[in-house]
Amino acid sequence: SQTIHQWPATLVQPVGSPLSLECTVEGTSNPNLYWYRQAAGRGLQLLFYSVGIGQISSEVPQNLSASRPQDRQFILSSKKLLLSDSGFYLCAWSGTGETFGYTFGSGTRLTVV
Amino acid sequence: AQKITQTQPGMFVQEKEAVTLDCTYDTSDPSYGLFWYKQPSSGEMIFLIYQGSYDQQNATEGRYSLNFQKARKSANLVISASQLGDSAMYFCAMRESTINNDMRFGAGTRLTVKP
Repeated sequence: SQTIHQWPATLVQPVGSPLSLECTVEGTSNPNLYWYRQAAGRGLQLLFYSVGIGQISSEVPQNLSASRPQDRQFILSSKKLLLSDSGFYLCAWSGTGETFGYTFGSGTRLTVV
Repeated sequence: AQKITQTQPGMFVQEKEAVTLDCTYDTSDPSYGLFWYKQPSSGEMIFLIYQGSYDQQNATEGRYSLNFQKARKSANLVISASQLGDSAMYFCAMRESTINNDMRFGAGTRLTVKP
């Protein structure tokens, strides 16, 4: 069966520090991968998605970047965090097609101080 | 343009009663999927139910059912016999059949079940 792992679960980082959040998927190949951000009590904002190794699409210009160095690995990064980067970050994977739902990781709660 | 609309920011329901969470969508794609997710306070996103645009019958999964009205472009979630553990955020989502068919989410409805 397919599983998705996301870590760390919580993170407190100072302004200006770098960020690296990692997401890995097991039990499937060539998944579509996604990074979402959610502000407290709000909806999900799509940040990045990837349909293959090295293929990254960005939805919103921002202080963050994403990379997919391996088929089932998706990394969210920042060189210098801003206070506005605080939020709940969710990674997800899916198959291709409108019948496939997303399976989400457990999320990372990031607080920039 | 907003593709998924959830007009109820918050809803209250008495334990053991049924509740309907509204969702309308907008698409010109004849083939699409509709999804509902539950997000408890822990933050995890839990898949509840799926409805395909060509499905003739409303989807059901245990206490969850989806009231699919294609002509009205609505996909309301019905939770029967509410339980305290149903208190959570609920998100409606749609996925179209286009090539880069990422899922679009509504703003969510916070459901509170009262004892």
